[in-house]
Amino acid sequence: AQSVAQPEDQVNVAEGNPLTVKCTYSVSGNPYLFWYVQYPNRGLQFLLKYITGDNLVKGSYGFEAEFNKSQTSFHLKKPSALVSDSALYFCAVRDGYSSASKIIFGSGTRLSIRP
Amino acid sequence: ETGVTQTPRHLVMGMTNKKSLKCEQHLGHNAMYWYKQSAKKPLELMFVYSLEERVENNSVPSRFSPECPNSSHLFLHLHTLQPEDSALYLCASSQSPQATKASEKLFFGSGTQLSVL
Repeated sequence: AQSVAQPEDQVNVAEGNPLTVKCTYSVSGNPYLFWYVQYPNRGLQFLLKYITGDNLVKGSYGFEAEFNKSQTSFHLKKPSALVSDSALYFCAVRDGYSSASKIIFGSGTRLSIRP
Repeated sequence: ETGVTQTPRHLVMGMTNKKSLKCEQHLGHNAMYWYKQSAKKPLELMFVYSLEERVENNSVPSRFSPECPNSSHLFLHLHTLQPEDSALYLCASSQSPQATKASEKLFFGSGTQLSVL
């Protein structure tokens, strides 16, 4: 069975500081991992994905995520936070052999960047 | 914009009302989805349509009835809802039929915020 966990409901960071949003996963096969962001009154937008290859994946808006197979984690990171990064972030996972409809989303982490 | 448009943005309805949510995608995609988003809960997949045929129904109560008249449009018909059905309903689309491409990503609309009184 697939599952994904985002252990923090909320993360608060000062502008200019590095940020990390945590995600751990469980799949039976090779994991396909995704991060989506939801700004207020908007739908989810794709940020980045890991399918295979380099463990450090770079995405939109300066975000990156590191795939760690031994820790089954896929944490989202950014070296310097902006106030405009404040949003709800969803981690998602899918077994590489299943269809996109089988993607499992986490419960979301609200990121708040204070000026 | 993501190319997926949902209307209305907000909907308030009584438990005896009948209403419909509409989704339209302008991306030429072949699969469409309905998700339910409740606060502090994972997104719940409700229905999946591929090439206008329903391919998944995740144990959704019959008071929710989807319709996909063509590959660009998706509806969710609502009837005799309960207060616990209040949530943000998101429509999404993806390119390939049956969404079988491994690296497939989803394109979401802005959602309909539904309140059931």
